[in-house]
Amino acid sequence: DAGVTQSPTHLIKTRGQQVTLRCSPKSGHDTVSWYQQALGQGPQFIFQYYEEEERQRGNFPDRFSGHQFPNYSSELNVNALLLGDSALYLCASSIPGQGNEQYFGPGTRLTVT
Amino acid sequence: AQSVTQLGSHVSVSEGALVLLRCNYSSSVPPYLFWYVQYPNQGLQLLLKYTTGATLVKGINGFEAEFKKSETSFHLTKPSAHMSDAAEYFCAVSGAGRRALTFGSGTRLQVQP
Repeated sequence: DAGVTQSPTHLIKTRGQQVTLRCSPKSGHDTVSWYQQALGQGPQFIFQYYEEEERQRGNFPDRFSGHQFPNYSSELNVNALLLGDSALYLCASSIPGQGNEQYFGPGTRLTVT
Repeated sequence: AQSVTQLGSHVSVSEGALVLLRCNYSSSVPPYLFWYVQYPNQGLQLLLKYTTGATLVKGINGFEAEFKKSETSFHLTKPSAHMSDAAEYFCAVSGAGRRALTFGSGTRLQVQP
């Protein structure tokens, strides 16, 4: 049973560019959440998708957007990249009825230069 | 609103000694509480969780935590540290249902031989 997968593993972008990160949830999971983890800090919630709609959003600007596909996979898009967007981006999947247990992928390390 | 405070950004113990990592939370709704572990360059792995019921919860790798409502605490313990326990540990809180996790800033555990 494959767990949560994310691609790419690492990414280097220049300020002002746009980036798309991808996530495939654990088999049977229909809810995908995205988190940003800056170096030396705990993960911070960006947004959550289920039923192909954004359901909750953390304190992140509109430059951060997402999408969920019918197969439950998800994308995170960041426009107009800033140096401060450099971080590990984590995707987590879950299903209702399991005590909000969220399974995390290995993350995508984004470096903005 | 929810928040998590982890006391001690770094904890060092000797191999075989007791591990105690502290977590205090604030929540406006009945909390679901989690401990996650993160090894270098990896995602987060769930150690244990508290939702309802028994306040002493046991997790993987010999870890356990006790929910104390009166103290708003959820400290993580392990009777005997092993070298492989060296990692970053995160405490998180959420409400019931499909909710975002709010993480603490993490505690780095170092295990000395």
